[in-house]
Amino acid sequence: GENVEQHPSTLSVQEGDSAVIKCTYSDSASNYFPWYKQELGKRPQLIIDIRSNVGEKKDQRIAVTLNKTAKHFSLHITETQPEDSAVYFCAADSGANNLFFGTGTRLTVIP
Amino acid sequence: DAGITQSPRYKITETGRQVTLMCHQTWSHSYMFWYRQDLGHGLRLIYYSAAADITDKGEVPDGYVVSRSKTENFPLTLESATRSQTSVYFCASHTAGIAFFGQGTRLTVV
Repeated sequence: GENVEQHPSTLSVQEGDSAVIKCTYSDSASNYFPWYKQELGKRPQLIIDIRSNVGEKKDQRIAVTLNKTAKHFSLHITETQPEDSAVYFCAADSGANNLFFGTGTRLTVIP
Repeated sequence: DAGITQSPRYKITETGRQVTLMCHQTWSHSYMFWYRQDLGHGLRLIYYSAAADITDKGEVPDGYVVSRSKTENFPLTLESATRSQTSVYFCASHTAGIAFFGQGTRLTVV
């Protein structure tokens, strides 16, 4: 089955700086890569996603890039704000609506 | 209230007891999933269901049982709870690959 690895496990940045979280996947058949944000004590929620026919997607301060050849994708958050502090999960869908999640990155934005 | 809801939100049970976590969705999504979330392990899939009466094992199914007699409900049962099953459990429904999570159930086995 699919194996998703996520790095780093923790990340601290100063407010206003950028944050980058990286994931790799193993199944070349995976074609959908969402990112979820989980605030403390809350449920994970989708923040951005990318499909395999696209190399980059942006939504305001967040962007995701995908390199299918290398089987890795990344989340980029620019101009970080304290409310960006959360745990972020990447995931890969290898088909049949079966999402495989990374182990999560705890992002702390220091005011 | 539309969406996906879990009950109870918090549960403390004793080792060896049977406990059932409930999950209900109002969208009629075909796919439903149960994950457990533990520090350092992220979200691990326990069981999933592609439709009513169709279920399949995920990454960590041992000690759990599921059923799906109706599309909207997907209960998870711990047949004989163990301390290693202390965790936060999330139910989710999927459509077009997008997962919608319930609020989670924090289960403590003492």
